Amino acid sequence: EVQLVQSGAEMKKPGESLRISCKGSGYSFTSNWIAWVRQVPGKGLEWMGIIYPSDSETRYSPSFQGQVTISADKSVDTAYLQWSSLKASDTATYYCARLASDSYSYWGQGTLVTVSS
Amino acid sequence: QSVLTQPPSASGTPGQRVTISCSGSSSNIGRNLVNWYQQLPGAAPKLLIHGYNQRPSGVPDRFSGSTSGTSASLAISGLQSEDEADYYCAAWDGSLNSYVFGPGTKVIVL
Repeated sequence: EVQLVQSGAEMKKPGESLRISCKGSGYSFTSNWIAWVRQVPGKGLEWMGIIYPSDSETRYSPSFQGQVTISADKSVDTAYLQWSSLKASDTATYYCARLASDSYSYWGQGTLVTVSS
Repeated sequence: QSVLTQPPSASGTPGQRVTISCSGSSSNIGRNLVNWYQQLPGAAPKLLIHGYNQRPSGVPDRFSGSTSGTSASLAISGLQSEDEADYYCAAWDGSLNSYVFGPGTKVIVL
């Protein structure tokens, strides 16, 4: 069974750094792109970027380029999303999702990141 | 401001047919396949329609999608109470080099 399991909720202060994770199982992790999607409370879905774990090729949405870093460690079948300096506006639920053909058929359960002083 | 446009809400009574529109442009819907996602309250999004009106295993055939030019639509026939959710259209945008989501449509079952 394909699964994407994300790390738990985080509560951080502005200016702090953070890395959240997404571990894949039930399939060959290096065979599919993994994307990150943001959902601000009460708002819609926003595609942030995508990584190919086999060679770590990464593409970012223009809206998120330079704001976050997407990485992957294929030795542990895990993708990451990280911030070097969080802002209150980063408060959101973040989902990872696996790309197959043209769509995202498997999603992680989501990680709620709360940034507040 | 999304490059895809959806109505904020749609409603119907049980058993009715509800249609949700999604309008885009030649850089997204006009040249790439449209996907539809369902997000139940408090849950992760779920793929509903992909490719050429394909439903993943387990998605009822009450859900169907269609595309014409730069617009797409999702139809829910035989509306049920468990269909009350947010629905998002999405597609790759060649100009933005990004996958884009519509703003979402909340379906209310009256």
